[in-house]
Amino acid sequence: GAVVSQHPSRVICKSGTSVKIECRSLDFQATTMFWYRQFPKKSLMLMATSNEGSKATYEQGVEKDKFLINHASLTLSTLTVTSAHPEDSSFYICSARDRLQHLDTEAFFGQGTRLTVV
Amino acid sequence: AQSVTQPDIHITVSEGASLELRCNYSYGATPYLFWYVQSPGQGLQLLLKYFSGDTLVQGIKGFEAEFKRSQSSFNLRKPSVHWSDAAEYFCAVADLSGGYNKLIFGAGTRLAVHP
Repeated sequence: GAVVSQHPSRVICKSGTSVKIECRSLDFQATTMFWYRQFPKKSLMLMATSNEGSKATYEQGVEKDKFLINHASLTLSTLTVTSAHPEDSSFYICSARDRLQHLDTEAFFGQGTRLTVV
Repeated sequence: AQSVTQPDIHITVSEGASLELRCNYSYGATPYLFWYVQSPGQGLQLLLKYFSGDTLVQGIKGFEAEFKRSQSSFNLRKPSVHWSDAAEYFCAVADLSGGYNKLIFGAGTRLAVHP
C-alpha cells in the first residue's frame, strides 16, 4: 500500500517556540492531506484539510494562526505549531489521499508525531 | 451531522476467545465505513473498509466486519483473538461533503487480551 511518512516522530520543545511537523507521501501524489490531533486516550479530531497550492480548510474551533499549514507540493504538507504552549502537547497525525483515486478510497496515515511542550 | 459511536471504551478478552467491537454511525447517505487499529504511540493501520457490495467484509489479521444498514452498525469481529491484537480500535465514516474524503472517528475501543 501507499506510504505516508511523518517526521519527527517525537519532539520536545520549550514553551513559546515553534515546531514544524512534516507529512510526506512517498510513492504517490497527494492533492489533499489531513491533519488530526489525538488527545490522550481520546479519538482523533480533524484539525484541517490541506490542499496543494491553496489555503487549508480549518475545522471549527481550530486556530488558523496557531496551527499553520502549508501544502507546497503534491508530496509534502507541513504543520507548524506556533508559539507552542503546554496545552498544545498532543499526538498529531497526518493522512493523505492519492490524487489519482476517487473520493471513495481510503486515506493513508503517517506514524504520528508526539509533541511535548515544556 | 455525521457521527460515529463506539459504545465500549474498554474490552478485555482471553486469548483464543471471540471478539466483537461495536460501531454505530449516523450518516445521511450510503456510508463509507472503516476500521483502523492503533498500537501505542503509533499511527493508524487500516483493517478493513466497506464502500458497497457484500455487507460482510474481510480484512487483514483475520478480522471481518458486517454492515447492517437497518441497525446503522458496522461491528468488527474476530473468531479467535491473539495477544498481539491488544490495541486501540477506531471505527470511522467518511464525510464526502465539500468534495473531500475526511474521516470522522469514533471514540475508540481499547482491547486488552489476557493470556
